[in-house]
Amino acid sequence: DQQVKQNSPSLSVQEGRISILNCDYTNSMFDYFLWYKKYPAEGPTFLISISSIKDKNEDGRFTVFLNKSAKHLSLHIVPSQPGDSAVYFCAASFIQGAQKLVFGQGTRLTINP
Amino acid sequence: DAGITQSPRHKVTETGTPVTLRCHQTENHRYMYWYRQDPGHGLRLIHYSYGVKDTDKGEVSDGYSVSRSKTEDFLLTLESATSSQTSVYFCAISETDRTTSYTFGSGTRLTVV
Repeated sequence: DQQVKQNSPSLSVQEGRISILNCDYTNSMFDYFLWYKKYPAEGPTFLISISSIKDKNEDGRFTVFLNKSAKHLSLHIVPSQPGDSAVYFCAASFIQGAQKLVFGQGTRLTINP
Repeated sequence: DAGITQSPRHKVTETGTPVTLRCHQTENHRYMYWYRQDPGHGLRLIHYSYGVKDTDKGEVSDGYSVSRSKTEDFLLTLESATSSQTSVYFCAISETDRTTSYTFGSGTRLTVV
């Protein structure tokens, strides 16, 4: 069973517009949420995170929103740039012994000029 | 990625043969993880280590074993490779068990024929 779900395998957005990537989770024990970005032939790189005690975190063009009652988070990128074209993974963290990250399936974002 | 190296980067092997993938870090981080990435599944945790000779299973550990005899090296062994183990394998490191992000290697693409 997939505890973290990204239901959109792909998303296409025009350059300069807003990109919104969505993620849903089922486990209410998750205490931290993260977004990773992955280019082809490279490992994922950390982008932004949010604690479960907050509902918004902003870092430059990237903002993550958390809605705990809906068990939903989203990543907003504005304005979108061609270099943002990548696969984005949502991840959730929980503490059971050592900390572990559980990842969603990923969303491929394409920014069109 | 700086501080973490995976080898080999690509490997083709035959069904039934043993295969060992290596993850090497120069960051002296205590925690190391092995994930596999498959379409539709995102990244799934295979095994992780919380210190030298201290390892534990993740969600997809069947058919895999690991060893960590030194802080810097974490080995993943497929004891008898199967076609279902064709995947991209990523190693990750983290400094503490409460860190909010991992650093990933560049991955090993394994094909079992």
